[in-house]
Amino acid sequence: EVRLVESGGGLVQPGGSLRLSCAASGFTFSSYAMSWVRQAPGKGLEWVSVLTGGGGSTHYADSVKGRFTISRDNSKNTLYLQLNILRAEDTAVYYCGKGLASGDYNAMDVWGQGTTVTVSS
Amino acid sequence: DIQMTQSPSSLSASVGDRVTITCRASQGISNYLAWFQQKPGKAPKSLIYAASSLQSGVPSKFSGSGSGTDFTLTISSLQPEDFATYYCQHYSSYPYTFGQGTKVEIK
Repeated sequence: EVRLVESGGGLVQPGGSLRLSCAASGFTFSSYAMSWVRQAPGKGLEWVSVLTGGGGSTHYADSVKGRFTISRDNSKNTLYLQLNILRAEDTAVYYCGKGLASGDYNAMDVWGQGTTVTVSS
Repeated sequence: DIQMTQSPSSLSASVGDRVTITCRASQGISNYLAWFQQKPGKAPKSLIYAASSLQSGVPSKFSGSGSGTDFTLTISSLQPEDFATYYCQHYSSYPYTFGQGTKVEIK
C-alpha cells in the first residue's frame, strides 16, 4: 500500500523556521516526483513546490520562493520542506503528494494526511 | 501564471442527480488537468488525471472531459458519499495552480 505520512508541523513565531517531513512507503520513492500543497484555514488548495524523482528539478510558488526549500533523501524515502522567514499567511495544513512519474508536469495520485503549521506570536 | 476558474462555486443537488462542474484555464493547457475531491477535515483524494483518466480505484461514476481551456467533471449519479468540495488543478507549466473549488451540497 502506498502511504505518505507528514510530520514536523507546529506553532512558530513570525520570522521563525520549521522543517516538515513526509515519510513514504509502498513504492520506489526515488522514481517519482513529489510535491507539497497547502491549505489555509477555510481556504482552497495552494500548490507550494515540486521536486522531480532524481532531485534535479525544483519549482516553487511565487508566494514561498526564496523562503521555502524542498529536498528529498531517497535513501530514507523521505521528502522535506524547509520553511524559513515564516509569515502569518503561511499558516496552513501542509500536504505532501506523490506524482504519477519521475519528471516534470505530472499529476499527483496519492496524498498524505497533512501536518498543521501555525505562525503566530 | 495560468489561472483556473471553476463554476459554479457551489451547488445543491439530490441523491441520484447528474452533476457537472466546469473548470476553465486562462490559457491552453492541453490535457494537463487533474480533479480532486476533498471532504471536511480530510486530505484531498485524487480522482482524475490527464483530463479524462480515472485514478486507480476511483468509481466509474466520475468522468472528466475537455482539452485546451475548457474542462468538465461529471458525477453520473450523486451518492451521499459524493457530497464534498471538488478542485481542478493544471500541471502544464510552473506554477501549478488550483481552481477555487466547487462545494457540492445536499438539496
